[in-house]
Amino acid sequence: AQKITQTQPGMFVQEKEAVTLDCTYDTSDPSYGLFWYKQPSSGEMIFLIYQGSYDQQNATEGRYSLNFQKARKSANLVISASQLGDSAMYFCAMRGGNNFNKFYFGSGTKLNVKP
Amino acid sequence: NAGVTQTPKFQVLKTGQSMTLQCAQDMNHEYMSWYRQDPGMGLRLIHYSVGAGITDQGEVPNGYNVSRSTTEDFPLRLLSAAPSQTSVYFCASSSTTGQLRTEAFFGQGTRLTVV
Repeated sequence: AQKITQTQPGMFVQEKEAVTLDCTYDTSDPSYGLFWYKQPSSGEMIFLIYQGSYDQQNATEGRYSLNFQKARKSANLVISASQLGDSAMYFCAMRGGNNFNKFYFGSGTKLNVKP
Repeated sequence: NAGVTQTPKFQVLKTGQSMTLQCAQDMNHEYMSWYRQDPGMGLRLIHYSVGAGITDQGEVPNGYNVSRSTTEDFPLRLLSAAPSQTSVYFCASSSTTGQLRTEAFFGQGTRLTVV
């Protein structure tokens, strides 16, 4: 069965510093996609970044980058130069495995950016 | 472009009452799904659909029914509400033509309280 694990329930980071949010996944299927979402206190789910299992390079989107280590089955989100507006819940998700239509989500990491 | 629209945003039910959470998308997405979000547990899949007339169970289907008569709509029915169904519910949709690369688009969420 597919599973996403986020081991950091909460994290603090100083404004302007970089922070890494951990995500490990478990699947036996070679084809899958990995996603990160941001959920601010207002509640909406905002898509941040995508990494495909066959992508040769780590994905980047502005201040977000994904540290993809396929052999270790990890897909950590790196946020550079943290801003106060980055304070939110962050979810790692995977699409694929034996049913490529389904998305599997981790339990989330609450990030607090301190001024 | 409305995206994914969920109604209502807030609802209070008495134990034993039934209700329907509405979800509509205007992106012609084949895949639609319902999740519930509980503290510390991330998003758990309730039911999903890959097209009109096709539905399947997710991780936590008990107490919920769905149907998909059109591509656009995917309502979630609570048959007999229980306090354990107090949660935030999200509807999400995604295209399957982009396969693994396509992210899920989320509605704004419904905060349901069962008393």
